[in-house]
Amino acid sequence: SAVISQKPSRDICQRGTSLTIQCQVDSQVTMMFWYRQQPGQSLTLIATANQGSEATYESGFVIDKFPISRPNLTFSTLTVSNMSPEDSSIYLCSVAPLISTDTQYFGPGTRLTVL
Amino acid sequence: DAKTTQPTSMDCAEGRAANLPCNHSTISGNEYVYWYRQIHSQGPQYIIHGLKNNETNEMASLIITEDRKSSTLILPHATLRDTAVYYCIVRNVSGYSTLTFGKGTMLLVSP
Repeated sequence: SAVISQKPSRDICQRGTSLTIQCQVDSQVTMMFWYRQQPGQSLTLIATANQGSEATYESGFVIDKFPISRPNLTFSTLTVSNMSPEDSSIYLCSVAPLISTDTQYFGPGTRLTVL
Repeated sequence: DAKTTQPTSMDCAEGRAANLPCNHSTISGNEYVYWYRQIHSQGPQYIIHGLKNNETNEMASLIITEDRKSSTLILPHATLRDTAVYYCIVRNVSGYSTLTFGKGTMLLVSP
């Protein structure tokens, strides 16, 4: 399985500011995804991070609010822009390895609190 | 992907087997059953998956009924560290589709 790290692990931010979350994988992976988990809720897919092209966003999520980069096969970033308290959530990076595409693995998550 | 139904919560005594049911009556032929769990404040952890045969690994066993409309995840000897939310997910693997999480089952393992 892939080893996934995220930075920062947690942060407290002021409303109106932006935060960029990094996801690093220890091996090349085909697919990278970003999920959000609001307090007490299950996980919701934000977008699929595509290498070399624009991310594919799920309904209800837009690029201006959640810009995503994926410069190579092991790294991706998610920015939460112009934050409000409603953005307080855990943000999770997930990957599907290059060889075995039938299993997704998850990073430890970034716990974001917006005041 | 087909929807799943799981009990909201379950209790289990430490050392006993935990049997977590999942209903997926609308599952189609090219959909697998996946199980993940999420221990508090951590990212989801992959447990096991299967198509139609029973599967076993070092973490758990997965029993899928012959008609594939339901399955059971078995933790043979539950420990306190198995306390978590367990998610049963049905996923189409022709092409690539992501995981859609429901509410899962909160398993509480007690001494």
